[in-house]
Amino acid sequence: GAVVSQHPSWVICKSGTSVKIECRSLDFQATTMFWYRQFPKQSLMLMATSNEGSKATYEQGVEKDKFLINHASLTLSTLTVTSAHPEDSSFYICSASIGTAGNTIYFGEGSWLTVV
Amino acid sequence: AQKITQTQPGMFVQEKEAVTLDCTYDTSDQSYGLFWYKQPSSGEMIFLIYQGSYDEQNATEGRYSLNFQKARKSANLVISASQLGDSAMYFCAMREGRNSGYALNFGKGTSLLVTP
Repeated sequence: GAVVSQHPSWVICKSGTSVKIECRSLDFQATTMFWYRQFPKQSLMLMATSNEGSKATYEQGVEKDKFLINHASLTLSTLTVTSAHPEDSSFYICSASIGTAGNTIYFGEGSWLTVV
Repeated sequence: AQKITQTQPGMFVQEKEAVTLDCTYDTSDQSYGLFWYKQPSSGEMIFLIYQGSYDEQNATEGRYSLNFQKARKSANLVISASQLGDSAMYFCAMREGRNSGYALNFGKGTSLLVTP
């Protein structure tokens, strides 16, 4: 079964609205989670590193005010796309490691966002 | 600079045959990890296999094996006895650094089609 759960799987929202995507680690604690974005037929690109209890670390070119990340507990990180626009339409996916060795990394199911 | 290079945009293989998906990487770190993921059309990222930079033996997981050639900085995935359900995108990824606090860098992926 899934060890990292992501919700919602699909979301359609209107331009200008905000949408929240949740990423949960199941049965393990994740101090660090990662958020990626994937455009059609392209690779995954790291958006930000989500650290429990502290601010997220964003990759260059990712607007932190637009993509709000909150990691309030050891099992939950959220990504909020604020004032969404059609160009934000994409596949968003999170990941987390089991343990600290970094050799077991699981991904959530991903979230397809369509902004109309 | 691209850290992970997958030079095969698409590959075909006949059912029951073996196939090798190429991956080369670039890092100056001594400690790193190499991963392969399978991504079907649904979008989920399925973990296949992991190889640590200090692992002397090539990793194997069922029908998957990783041909790790450290001096050449290559980490090719070998799928034996291909099945129709193996048709998907395959991504090679690298984690630089020792622990789970480091994100993955992904290659551009290889689309594998298994034919009857």
